[in-house]
Amino acid sequence: GAGVSQSPSNKVTEKGKDVELRCDPISGHTALYWYRQRLGQGLEFLIYFQGNSAPDKSGLPSDRFSAERTGESVSTLTIQRTQQEDSAVYLCASSPPGPKNYGYTFGSGTRLTVV
Amino acid sequence: AQSVTQPDIHITVSEGASLELRCNYSYGATPYLFWYVQSPGQGLQLLLKYFSGDTLVQGIKGFEAEFKRSQSSFNLRKPSVHWSDAAEYFCAVGAKGAQKLVFGQGTRLTINP
Repeated sequence: GAGVSQSPSNKVTEKGKDVELRCDPISGHTALYWYRQRLGQGLEFLIYFQGNSAPDKSGLPSDRFSAERTGESVSTLTIQRTQQEDSAVYLCASSPPGPKNYGYTFGSGTRLTVV
Repeated sequence: AQSVTQPDIHITVSEGASLELRCNYSYGATPYLFWYVQSPGQGLQLLLKYFSGDTLVQGIKGFEAEFKRSQSSFNLRKPSVHWSDAAEYFCAVGAKGAQKLVFGQGTRLTINP
């Protein structure tokens, strides 16, 4: 697609429920990243995919968080048994292949509110 | 480990005044450096990036940034700000190749009319 697409744009869920967030990167972008941005905070790295594998998942805060990517395209971030501290904007980004680091193209994010 | 410090949490300038947003990084090798802007309710947009070569880089919307290796800095500048520049600005550092970027905490820019 023309840009990075994330869905849903907003999600309100009850504490303890599971949620699934979706990211559709730019076509041809082999690298995909998930970040979390709490209100008034900077961006917190969660996980990075190169193709379908995740060389760096060091930012996942707990085993309630998991992510997968299939077909070198769509990625889903799943949060199980959501807690109020999971409330944040979840941002996805993608970048093209190559030896340089071109920086990311970000999606508009999914605003998750846990009540 | 990579890290980025943006010392100013909030800056207020008057419309038409010059602007400089500070960014200091910590990285063991030659860094790839970026500035992003996030307008209210919007995603992040890339303003400019530095890979190598000329240490003064030009970006979109009239912004520029200067890489100073001796000071480990990559400050963002604009000669004359416009009300539409009010936003949150993030500096980021990364390694060669498609790897994660480490972001600073951001500087919120307010423009006085």
